[in-house]
Amino acid sequence: SQTIHQWPATLVQPVGSPLSLECTVEGTSNPNLYWYRQAAGRGLQLLFYSVGIGQISSEVPQNLSASRPQDRQFILSSKKLLLSDSGFYLCAWTRGQGSSYEQYFGPGTRLTVT
Amino acid sequence: AQKVTQAQTEISVVEKEDVTLDCVYETRDTTYYLFWYKQPPSGELVFLIRRNSFDEQNEISGRYSWNFQKSTSSFNFTITASQVVDSAVYFCALSDEGAQKLVFGQGTRLTINP
Repeated sequence: SQTIHQWPATLVQPVGSPLSLECTVEGTSNPNLYWYRQAAGRGLQLLFYSVGIGQISSEVPQNLSASRPQDRQFILSSKKLLLSDSGFYLCAWTRGQGSSYEQYFGPGTRLTVT
Repeated sequence: AQKVTQAQTEISVVEKEDVTLDCVYETRDTTYYLFWYKQPPSGELVFLIRRNSFDEQNEISGRYSWNFQKSTSSFNFTITASQVVDSAVYFCALSDEGAQKLVFGQGTRLTINP
């Protein structure tokens, strides 16, 4: 069966510090991978998605970036965090060939920028 | 352009009442897919159902049922005999054929009071 992992679960970082969040998927190959952010009490905002190694599509221009160094690994990064980067970050995967298939979500990382 | 509207921001009912969560969507495609997700207080989104545009048959799973009506572009979700454990934020989502991402509604926060 497939499993998706995210770490860390919780993170408190000062403004201006770097960020690296990691997401890995087990039990499948060639998944589509997604990063979402959810501000407190708000809906889901798609940040990045990837249909293959090294292929990243950005949805929202901001100081975040994403990389996919391996087939089942997706990393969200920032060189300098802003207060507005606080939120709940969710990684998701779906079988390739588009989003006609459901997405499965990881447990999330709760980021607080102070 | 695709759009999903969940007009009910918050709903609060007493346990054992039936409750319906509304979802209205917009798309120009004839082939598309609709989804419902549940986000309990823990934060992880849980996939509930996927329905394609050619299957208008209503679905029932235990206390959950879904009513898909193409004529009104709606995909409503009903919980029968609600329980406290049903308290969560529920998201409706849409994907066109071949699209690589989902479009989510803003979510409905459902509170079931004992």
